[in-house]
Amino acid sequence: KNEVEQSPQNLTAQEGEFITINCSYSVGISALHWLQQHPGGGIVSLFMLSSGKKKHGRLIATINIQEKHSSLHITASHPRDSAVYICAVTPGTDKLIFGTGTRLQVFP
Amino acid sequence: NAGVTQTPKFQVLKTGQSMTLQCAQDMNHNSMYWYRQDPGMGLRLIYYSASEGTTDKGEVPNGYNVSRLNKREFSLRLESAAPSQTSVYFCASTLDSLGANVLTFGAGSRLTVL
Repeated sequence: KNEVEQSPQNLTAQEGEFITINCSYSVGISALHWLQQHPGGGIVSLFMLSSGKKKHGRLIATINIQEKHSSLHITASHPRDSAVYICAVTPGTDKLIFGTGTRLQVFP
Repeated sequence: NAGVTQTPKFQVLKTGQSMTLQCAQDMNHNSMYWYRQDPGMGLRLIYYSASEGTTDKGEVPNGYNVSRLNKREFSLRLESAAPSQTSVYFCASTLDSLGANVLTFGAGSRLTVL
């Protein structure tokens, strides 16, 4: 069993839909990161969380440390949101453990 | 633009050839990382450098060497390339601790070993 599990693995949505991607982890962490990778593109850091909730534009990330769970929400989804979203956790300070990603496709 | 620059973007090698992937950051970050990304496996850490002058093995270091040349630069060398090293390689950096800082990635280097 992977230490970081994401669900779903693949997700399709119509433009405008509210999207949720989940991340569960099994180790103690100091922080959780959400990353975005567009097809054929580089990787961009969206959020780093150690507690609570963060919001940036249409993206919201939440974390529940007790339940070892985080969610990434996208409101009013758009085709440009189509990408792979990767959850990663920091058990210490030097390294990240990555999930295998959630592939999101948003259709017009 | 500030960020992480890695070169080359694409490279094709024959088995047994050597090459070096270069990475430089201009954000005054202390920690630098080399990852490989393979389909269905997520990102895996090859080597990292927590500060200038130090390097440590990650999850998949076999077949690779690294050099932290100075605070800005962290290179990855394949001494004798193998087909199993066909992958996309990403360099990344962070200010200090990953528990308190985001990671900034380079654009990636796609390596094919024939």
